Amino acid sequence: DAGVTQSPTHLIKTRGQQVTLRCSPKSGHDTVSWYQQALGQGPQFIFQYYEEEERQRGNFPDRFSGHQFPNYSSELNVNALLLGDSALYLCASSLGSSGNTIYFGEGSWLTVV
Amino acid sequence: LAKTTQPISMDSYEGQEVNITCSHNNIATNDYITWYQQFPSQGPRFIIQGYKTKVTNEVASLFIPADRKSSTLSLPRVSLSDTAVYYCLVARRGSGAGSYQLTFGKGTKLSVIP
Repeated sequence: DAGVTQSPTHLIKTRGQQVTLRCSPKSGHDTVSWYQQALGQGPQFIFQYYEEEERQRGNFPDRFSGHQFPNYSSELNVNALLLGDSALYLCASSLGSSGNTIYFGEGSWLTVV
Repeated sequence: LAKTTQPISMDSYEGQEVNITCSHNNIATNDYITWYQQFPSQGPRFIIQGYKTKVTNEVASLFIPADRKSSTLSLPRVSLSDTAVYYCLVARRGSGAGSYQLTFGKGTKLSVIP
């Protein structure tokens, strides 16, 4: 039973570019959330997807957008990258209807230069 | 948001029991309490979750008093490999199905000393 998987694990982008990060939820899970974790800080909630719709959103600008596919996988897109977007991006999944235990992936390290 | 407060750091010797207390004064009726462990450069790993009283699993116990305004994570007989950051969170449901979020604080950095 695969857990939450994310890709890529590491990437380097230039300021102003766009990036897409991908997440496959744990088998049987239908809800995906994305978090940003800067070095030395706790993860910060970006948004959550359920039934292919954004259900909740944290305090992040519109440059951060996402998508959930019919197979429950998800993408996080960040446009017009800033140096401050450098962080570990974490995907978390759960079975949304029951608010069950939330599992995290190992994250995607994004460095903006 | 369901804010939590926990000690920034703790030290413990190997083999000792470690208790990390977290306060969550504005916890709501439908919220539940979850603890995660995170090693450097890895995603948070679920430890334990509870709503009230006591919950125990193979790695930890979680004590929640009746007013639910605090909780205590208990790690029995810690080892060096338990050195990590421990996050106390309140999972809060939103208004619709599949709608809830976790609010992370800064966590407690536990250092286990040989």
